[in-house]
Amino acid sequence: DAGVIQSPRHEVTEMGQEVTLRCKPISGHNSLFWYRQTMMRGLELLIYFNNNVPIDDSGMPEDRFSAKMPNASFSTLKIQPSEPRDSAVYFCASSSETDFSTDTQYFGPGTRLTVL
Amino acid sequence: GENVEQHPSTLSVQEGDSAVIKCTYSDSASNYFPWYKQELGKGPQLIIDIRSNVGEKKDQRIAVTLNKTAKHFSLHITETQPEDSAVYFCAAGSPPSNDYKLSFGAGTTVTVRA
Repeated sequence: DAGVIQSPRHEVTEMGQEVTLRCKPISGHNSLFWYRQTMMRGLELLIYFNNNVPIDDSGMPEDRFSAKMPNASFSTLKIQPSEPRDSAVYFCASSSETDFSTDTQYFGPGTRLTVL
Repeated sequence: GENVEQHPSTLSVQEGDSAVIKCTYSDSASNYFPWYKQELGKGPQLIIDIRSNVGEKKDQRIAVTLNKTAKHFSLHITETQPEDSAVYFCAAGSPPSNDYKLSFGAGTTVTVRA
């Protein structure tokens, strides 16, 4: 299995621009999580999907952030407009809820976002 | 919600010595406790996990202990090697009642001195 795939791996943009991060979860997993990692705040859960439906978006910092999961194999996290304080590493993780013993979250390699 | 505290924030050990990282949690409903290792430039990777019906679990040089009464769990790495240098995160969750969300500790940067 290829694991969780994220793109791009690095993104540098200017303040005010739209940024779209992409994630392909592990095949067969039905839960998907978006995290943000910074030195100050550590790992923060932004939003969580189950069977393509957003379950908890309480971690989304502002209306500038939005996430979609149009199908079981693809999700996007969009920031519009981007601000310098959005600079962080964004991780996508997936897990399976069909088997209690395999509910581990598997993380992708992350997207390092720099907003100038 | 769940609050996970992790100590120490940094840990330096001599190669061959043991390393211990401790975490406490606040929600007595938590029943799943994974540990992740994050190497530079990579995403966190699961190294071991424990569930509330077990007090201890071991996998080669890595072991995790859980004390549900005291609400704390620990990671033990024996015979440390340079490749053990990384950031380690503990986490707590309560699947399936809490939608499989995990609350993470702040991380421990482990440095193994050769």
